[in-house]
Amino acid sequence: NAGVTQTPKFQVLKTGQSMTLQCAQDMNHNSMYWYRQDPGMGLRLIYYSASEGTTDKGEVPNGYNVSRLNKREFSLRLESAAPSQTSVYFCASSEGGKVNEQFFGPGTRLTVL
Amino acid sequence: AQSVAQPEDQVNVAEGNPLTVKCTYSVSGNPYLFWYVQYPNRGLQFLLKYITGDNLVKGSYGFEAEFNKSQTSFHLKKPSALVSDSALYFCAVRGRSNDYKLSFGAGTTVTVRA
Repeated sequence: NAGVTQTPKFQVLKTGQSMTLQCAQDMNHNSMYWYRQDPGMGLRLIYYSASEGTTDKGEVPNGYNVSRLNKREFSLRLESAAPSQTSVYFCASSEGGKVNEQFFGPGTRLTVL
Repeated sequence: AQSVAQPEDQVNVAEGNPLTVKCTYSVSGNPYLFWYVQYPNRGLQFLLKYITGDNLVKGSYGFEAEFNKSQTSFHLKKPSALVSDSALYFCAVRGRSNDYKLSFGAGTTVTVRA
């Protein structure tokens, strides 16, 4: 099992450009999440999908959109990138339910110039 | 609103000494509590969790954590630290409502010197 995979690993964008971060899991998990990690701030939830066909906003959704393409895949889109979106982005998945731990991908390091 | 505080940005210990990483939380009702570890340039890895029952929870790599409801704390401990335990540690909390959101602390960097 590959677990949670993310592409790309690194990306540099110019202000105003758009891009999509891809995430896939092969653990048959129901729930998937997108976080951003900034120094000294821990992880902050951007969006999550409790199950296939549903998505909900997290703490910091502004400037982002998501698509739960199927049970395996959950993408994050930046429509018009801003320097404030420079961060490390992590995708995670879990079996669903509040007691289950989340499994994280290796992350995407995004720089917006 | 739920939140987590990790009061120490950094913890430094000598190999073989006990390691403690502190965490306090705020949540409505009883919490679900988690510890994760992050090695450089990697994603987070699950260490252990408290759901209910015994206040002392044992997890991966010899780590354990003690849930203290009166102090709203969930400190991570290891009796004898290894150099390979050097990493960034995150505490996280989730309330027992229908909300799926997991709130993370800012993280504590642990350095174990040989």
